[in-house]
Order: sequence, then structure tokens, then C-alpha cells
Amino acid sequence: KAGVTQTPRYLIKTRGQQVTLSCSPISGHRSVSWYQQTPGQGLQFLFEYFSETQRNKGNFPGRFSGRQFSNSRSEMNVSTLELGDSALYLCASSSDGTGDNSPLHFGNGTRLTVT
Amino acid sequence: AQSVTQLGSHVSVSEGALVLLRCNYSSSVPPYLFWYVQYPNQGLQLLLKYTSAATLVKGINGFEAEFKKSETSFHLTKPSAHMSDAAEYFCAVNPYNNNDMRFGAGTRLTVKP
Repeated sequence: KAGVTQTPRYLIKTRGQQVTLSCSPISGHRSVSWYQQTPGQGLQFLFEYFSETQRNKGNFPGRFSGRQFSNSRSEMNVSTLELGDSALYLCASSSDGTGDNSPLHFGNGTRLTVT
Repeated sequence: AQSVTQLGSHVSVSEGALVLLRCNYSSSVPPYLFWYVQYPNQGLQLLLKYTSAATLVKGINGFEAEFKKSETSFHLTKPSAHMSDAAEYFCAVNPYNNNDMRFGAGTRLTVKP
């Protein structure tokens, strides 16, 4: 079974631009979560989508948004990029979205650099 | 809110030595606890999880962790370190049984030959 696939692996953007990151979950997984990883703040939860609906949301500004398609693929968008948005963005999928019986499977991430 | 604290941002051991990575959680109820490993330029891989079925949890790659309620701890151990164990390790708690996981700051493990 193929793992979680994130594209692109690397992105360089300029402050003020917007960016879209893509995530393809493991086949059959309906939950997709997004995390931001930075040296200063560590791993922080952005949001989770389940069956095309945002089910949970972390404490990030509205510039961060996402969506999920009917095939469970997900995209994350960041508008009006700031230098502080430079990070590794990780996508994780799980089968039904509950933590104990459905652990997260992570992709290798998209490293976003904002200049 | 439930959280985890990892003691020691860096741990260095010799190859063949015991690995002990410390994690304490804050919770008034038995939580869902996890250990993940991250190799350079990769995502996180699940090592093991605790879900109250057993206090000693065995994971992949020879790792295990023991849940101690009296100490609110969930330390990760491996009897004999291998060079390939060099990575960053994250303890995590799942407070709401959804995918809003709360991760510790991570412990970078170095294995010396």
C-alpha cells in the first residue's frame, strides 16, 4: 500500500504570496490532518478533514485554510505569506479519525521557505 | 489541557547501550499516548501507542514503553542502541481521541560508535 504522498517536497515563496500544498492519503483513509513543524514551536495541529468536512481546527489564523476532495485528497492553502510561515508542513492520514484505534500515518512533508 | 513534556532535548548513547527517552504527561484521566520517530527529511513514523490495554507496550525496532500512572510517565526504552536509531523522537498525547495530537518538543538521539 502506498503511503501518504505530499507534493511538492520543497517550495520557496516570497512574502505576501499564497501557496497551495497537496496531500494524498493512504488508500481507504478518510481522515487527513495537517501539522506545522518549526524549530521554535515544534509540531502544531492545523486542522483535520474527514469526509470532505473540516472536523477540528487548531489555533492558526484564517490565512491558513484547507479542503478535502471526494477521493480524500486534501489541499492546504496559506495566503499572504509571512516569514514566520516558513516550516515543514506535514500531512497525516488515518482510517476513521479517532486517535486510539486509528493512528496517524505521516507523509514526508513539504518544506516551505518564505523569503 | 492535556500535554506531554519530554525531558532532555538531546540524548547521546554509545552503540549497544541502553536507550532511555523520558516523557511525562499531564492528565487526570488515562490518556492515549504515543511515541513517534522522525528521521532526517522525513515525516513521523509511529513507534508504539498506549491505549490502556497493557502498561508495557512493545513497538517496532525493539522499542518499548511503560505507562506508569503513579509517575505520570511514559518513558521509551531500548535495551541496545543501534546506529540506525539516531533520529528525533516525539512523545504525543491525544486528549480528545481525535487527530488533534499534542506533541512534546522532541528528543534528538545520537548514537556513538
